[in-house]
Amino acid sequence: GAVVSQHPSWVICKSGTSVKIECRSLDFQATTMFWYRQFPKQSLMLMATSNEGSKATYEQGVEKDKFLINHASLTLSTLTVTSAHPEDSSFYICSARDGKGNQPQHFGDGTRLSIL
Amino acid sequence: LAKTTQPISMDSYEGQEVNITCSHNNIATNDYITWYQQFPSQRPRFIIQGYKTKVTNEVASLFIPADRKSSTLSLPRVSLSDTAVYYCLVGENSGNTPLVFGKGTRLSVIA
Repeated sequence: GAVVSQHPSWVICKSGTSVKIECRSLDFQATTMFWYRQFPKQSLMLMATSNEGSKATYEQGVEKDKFLINHASLTLSTLTVTSAHPEDSSFYICSARDGKGNQPQHFGDGTRLSIL
Repeated sequence: LAKTTQPISMDSYEGQEVNITCSHNNIATNDYITWYQQFPSQRPRFIIQGYKTKVTNEVASLFIPADRKSSTLSLPRVSLSDTAVYYCLVGENSGNTPLVFGKGTRLSVIA
């Protein structure tokens, strides 16, 4: 089945640091990838839709200058949390769907980000 | 996007069948119904997906009535390892349409 790989799985860094998270579709091409954020004991919240070769579409309330998304190829999307602060600490999960036919959405293993 | 409503939590004993019902009154013609399972600090895992009637796989069954305004996920003979949050999602299965998660149902299986 379709596999989505996410890296790194865990990041701890100081406040003010920028952190890049990579999301790769390993065995299919994904013109669109999705980024979610999940706080403890809460549901996944859609942050943005990443489109290959064009600008990402951000959900209401998500700062595009804070969360930079780049989707430079059909298999790779990156999320950069710029100048991260403790309130950005969360579980970030990417997702993609194989565009061929009727396919479910597959998720990466997530990145736990802790800002000190 | 169709909004879903499901119980916040459910408890069950090991070995019992668990049925989780989800309401989606505003489901659209092109929408599919998909269920995911999530353990703490892990990614959501696909369980089952359907459009109408009944779908069964090796881990669960999905029952969808004719009006498609609700669906029921059935987990046969649950074990302690089935303790997780279960999400019901409704939406098109097209490449650029994201799934929007509701609050999910927290299932606790008791020995």
